Amino acid sequence: DQQVKQNSPSLSVQEGRISILNCDYTNSMFDYFLWYKKYPAEGPTFLISISSIKDKNEDGRFTVFLNKSAKHLSLHIVPSQPGDSAVYFCAASLYSGGYQKVTFGTGTKLQVIP
Amino acid sequence: DAGVIQSPRHEVTEMGQEVTLRCKPISGHDYLFWYRQTMMRGLELLIYFNNNVPIDDSGMPEDRFSAKMPNASFSTLKIQPSEPRDSAVYFCASSPGTTNSNQPQHFGDGTRLSIL
Repeated sequence: DQQVKQNSPSLSVQEGRISILNCDYTNSMFDYFLWYKKYPAEGPTFLISISSIKDKNEDGRFTVFLNKSAKHLSLHIVPSQPGDSAVYFCAASLYSGGYQKVTFGTGTKLQVIP
Repeated sequence: DAGVIQSPRHEVTEMGQEVTLRCKPISGHDYLFWYRQTMMRGLELLIYFNNNVPIDDSGMPEDRFSAKMPNASFSTLKIQPSEPRDSAVYFCASSPGTTNSNQPQHFGDGTRLSIL
């Protein structure tokens, strides 16, 4: 059962426009959410995160929005740049067994067209 | 500053053979994770260690999979015998502590495993 879902496997956006990547989750116990970015032949790298007590977190061109009632979060990239082309993984964590256990989604491949 | 180092980067072998994947975490990190990436299921957590002790192996698909961490700087993931459905990219990650905004997991570049 996929607790973290990224229903769009791919997304194409023109350079300079906004990219919106979406993520849905099913477990209301998740208390922390993260986005990772992955280039081909490399491992994922941490991008931005948000605590469940907040609804927005911004870091430069990247903003993550959290809607707890809808169990939905999104990553906004403004303006999009060709270097943003990568696979983006949504992740959610909860405290389990003494550790914040992280569950990842299936990823969304973003292509930013010059 | 060296990141998480995985070897080999690519492995191609025939079904039935034993496969051993290796990982060197970032020095000082207390947690080590093994993930498997597939198109259908994304990044799945297989097992994680804290201070070299396996904490949660509920993600290990079956008894053919085993993982060890003999010391703080080395871990292995072994598949014996391997099957074609094990073909995937396997990632190792390490973390200095509980995952929060200041302590994300650091991933290696993965091992692409192909079982023929």
